[in-house]
Amino acid sequence: QKEVEQNSGPLSVPEGAIASLNCTYSDRVSQSFFWYRQYSGKSPELIMSIYSNGDKEDGRFTAQLNKASQYVSLLIRDSQPSDSATYLCAVNTERDDKIIFGKGTRLHILP
Amino acid sequence: EPEVTQTPSHQVTQMGQEVILRCVPISNHLYFYWYRQILGQKVEFLVSFYNNEISEKSEIFDDQFSVERPDGSNFTLKIRSTKLEDSAMYFCASSESSSTGELFFGEGSRLTVL
Repeated sequence: QKEVEQNSGPLSVPEGAIASLNCTYSDRVSQSFFWYRQYSGKSPELIMSIYSNGDKEDGRFTAQLNKASQYVSLLIRDSQPSDSATYLCAVNTERDDKIIFGKGTRLHILP
Repeated sequence: EPEVTQTPSHQVTQMGQEVILRCVPISNHLYFYWYRQILGQKVEFLVSFYNNEISEKSEIFDDQFSVERPDGSNFTLKIRSTKLEDSAMYFCASSESSSTGELFFGEGSRLTVL
């Protein structure tokens, strides 16, 4: 059974600071990793995908993957109030066509 | 920008009734998914669909549920004999490739079972 674990938060971060969101997963053969943002009452929206160890940067967002530690993180630089949302970590393996989501971390950017 | 569309946005039904939720995936996508999210809980995988057949399903997706692609554009989720605990937001998603797994979600259909 694949599990994806996230701290539910809320995580409060001052505007302009770096927000750090973490995720661990249980299935060692997981291959694809994703961060989605979900605003209250809305559908998940893909922010980042990462497939190999290391860092991947896209604008203010950096995803970090460490397969040995089964750990994925998302850094948001220069946090804005509009970044306030729930961030969902999601994981896939190539052996099945099923992407599993964590419960999400609620992020609150303090103006 | 291409998007996944879902109808209805909200459906209220009586317990025991059948419900059909409809989705139009992004046109060049080949992989289709249904997820549900009970209020305040996590996004749960229900089923994936490729090449006109189910490729994966979760333990939630029992005989009460079925999916169909009746034509070249629609992808439907049927829930037979609805129960109170089926009340949730149901999200349809599509992906160009299962190996990338980048899902694009519709806005969701909120189902309320009374």
